[in-house]
Amino acid sequence: SQQGEEDPQALSIQEGENATMNCSYKTSINNLQWYRQNSGRGLVHLILIRSNEREKHSGRLRVTLDTSKKSSSLLITASRAADTASYFCATVFFQGAQKLVFGQGTRLTINP
Amino acid sequence: ETGVTQSPTHLIKTRGQQVTLRCSSQSGHNTVSWYQQALGQGPQFIFQYYREEENGRGNFPPRFSGLQFPNYSSELNVNALELDDSALYLCASSLSGAYGYTFGSGTRLTVV
Repeated sequence: SQQGEEDPQALSIQEGENATMNCSYKTSINNLQWYRQNSGRGLVHLILIRSNEREKHSGRLRVTLDTSKKSSSLLITASRAADTASYFCATVFFQGAQKLVFGQGTRLTINP
Repeated sequence: ETGVTQSPTHLIKTRGQQVTLRCSSQSGHNTVSWYQQALGQGPQFIFQYYREEENGRGNFPPRFSGLQFPNYSSELNVNALELDDSALYLCASSLSGAYGYTFGSGTRLTVV
């Protein structure tokens, strides 16, 4: 079963608004990563937050991590039409292999 | 510096056939992972190679196998194709799981 679960499954907002996506996971992690995927293409790495970090920023992106609640959130500020994509959180385990475990993603649509 | 390149981009095979998918890792990356992404789902970890050795495997049957070459490029082989193998196959390379992964654009495999 997949470790991470994103919420909501779909989100539609107006251009310029902020978009918030949430991710929950089940077990201890080494780090958590967020990825973007456009129309069934490859995934693009957005941001990585380590288990000992609580918040991280990258441009218009802000990620938080609450290890006590096993949850993370991705905030995209001042959304643009180009932000329309699916967003996935992935938890990382070091068990021999460095495995990314993905949720089912949030489909974000930015309306012009 | 090039990214991750996958070939072919699309492929149609008949049930029972065998297929080989190829991946060229990003320069300097010694770890390559393969993921299967069914339509509407998050990617599922198939296996990972580090310095030509498989060091982790997901919940996939033995008919999914792979190789990593000295130049860190990789192949994914699937034997006895089944209809449920139809999916987007993603290759990802990394220098270390402590950093983000670079994904290729994927190979869309359709089994008929």
